[in-house]
Amino acid sequence: EAGVAQSPRYKIIEKRQSVAFWCNPISGHATLYWYQQILGQGPKLLIQFQNNGVVDDSQLPKDRFSAERLKGVDSTLKIQPAKLEDSAVYLCASSLLTGNTGELFFGEGSRLTVL
Amino acid sequence: AQSVAQPEDQVNVAEGNPLTVKCTYSVSGNPYLFWYVQYPNRGLQFLLKYITGDNLVKGSYGFEAEFNKSQTSFHLKKPSALVSDSALYFCAVATDSWGKFQFGAGTQVVVTP
Repeated sequence: EAGVAQSPRYKIIEKRQSVAFWCNPISGHATLYWYQQILGQGPKLLIQFQNNGVVDDSQLPKDRFSAERLKGVDSTLKIQPAKLEDSAVYLCASSLLTGNTGELFFGEGSRLTVL
Repeated sequence: AQSVAQPEDQVNVAEGNPLTVKCTYSVSGNPYLFWYVQYPNRGLQFLLKYITGDNLVKGSYGFEAEFNKSQTSFHLKKPSALVSDSALYFCAVATDSWGKFQFGAGTQVVVTP
């Protein structure tokens, strides 16, 4: 089966510019996650969707980050305006199961560099 | 508050020797525990999980982990390490109530020939 697809793989922007990342989860997976992974750290959950509803967005910097999952399938994460500290890999993951018992399947990530 | 700790930044082991990567957690409620591996410039790959049942869990590539409730630990083990096991390993914890699926900071495993 096809894995989690993310694009773009790499993006370089200047601070105060905007950027958007796209994720297409594995078909049939109800739960979708966006994580931020800063170099040398573990992934930090930004937002978790169950179908097209938000389950947890407590660590999403809502003044600059936004995410949506229209129709409960693919998702977009936007940063506007970007700051230097947003340089990181943005990982999308999906899970077949609801709740937290199912393993997450990760995409290869989108690496953002903010200059 | 929910947390997960990986006390070692790096573990060095010779090929053929046993490999252990440590993980401890703190949750309220029943823990769901996971191990993932990350190779350079790649996403995370699932290795194994503990949800309920037998405390010893077997997973991919010969890895296993033991859930120890009294010590709140979930250490990852492999009896005989391979050079190809060199990667970044993450422990993750979640619970049976809605909440963060939280990852540790990661442990770099280096297996030398």
